[in-house]
Amino acid sequence: DSGVTQTPKHLITATGQRVTLRCSPRSGDLSVYWYQQSLDQGLQFLIQYYNGEERAKGNILERFSAQQFPDLHSELNLSSLELGDSALYFCASSVRWNTEAFFGQGTRLTVV
Amino acid sequence: GDSVTQMEGPVTLSEEAFLTINCTYTATGYPSLFWYVQYPGEGLQLLLKATKADDKGSNKGFEATYRKETTSFHLEKGSVQVSDSAVYFCALILNYGGSQGNLIFGKGTKLSVKP
Repeated sequence: DSGVTQTPKHLITATGQRVTLRCSPRSGDLSVYWYQQSLDQGLQFLIQYYNGEERAKGNILERFSAQQFPDLHSELNLSSLELGDSALYFCASSVRWNTEAFFGQGTRLTVV
Repeated sequence: GDSVTQMEGPVTLSEEAFLTINCTYTATGYPSLFWYVQYPGEGLQLLLKATKADDKGSNKGFEATYRKETTSFHLEKGSVQVSDSAVYFCALILNYGGSQGNLIFGKGTKLSVKP
């Protein structure tokens, strides 16, 4: 158990819908990362927050957004969903912004 | 740009065989290097790390040495077990000022160990 908690574990939704994925980081970790894992793209970095502020952006679509709350948990919002958004979404956390990160179990999103 | 290249899989070995998974990187400055492992249906787990040249990371019988001259961080294990079957990811974090600080991953190498 890494100490990073993601909910829900599975999500099935229709195209055009909006979903919210939730992440609670390890106790004491200030940095939260979101990654997308798909068969054809591998592990893609989406976005990073550090102590409530957005710190870095990767290959995140405009339809996606995220935030980190004062209690340090984070949410990833995916809207206008397309079939191609079906993937595993991982949250990870770390103490600082440039150290190893610890991953949650992921949320498997299926868009039908 | 900054990137990690891993050997293509899948790799299939018999139990007790020697394992090498090659990893090379391209990066600005001197990154920290990592190996993560993903067992079926699970998230990624940190396997080992090395933060400077010539450091050797080791864990659970796995080893990797940070080779600056060849920009490599190959993963090795002397005797694999069926329970080592998983996908292995090589990754780096850039450490220079102004860098993003997130993990940059290779595409992963799937290892299957047969009894």
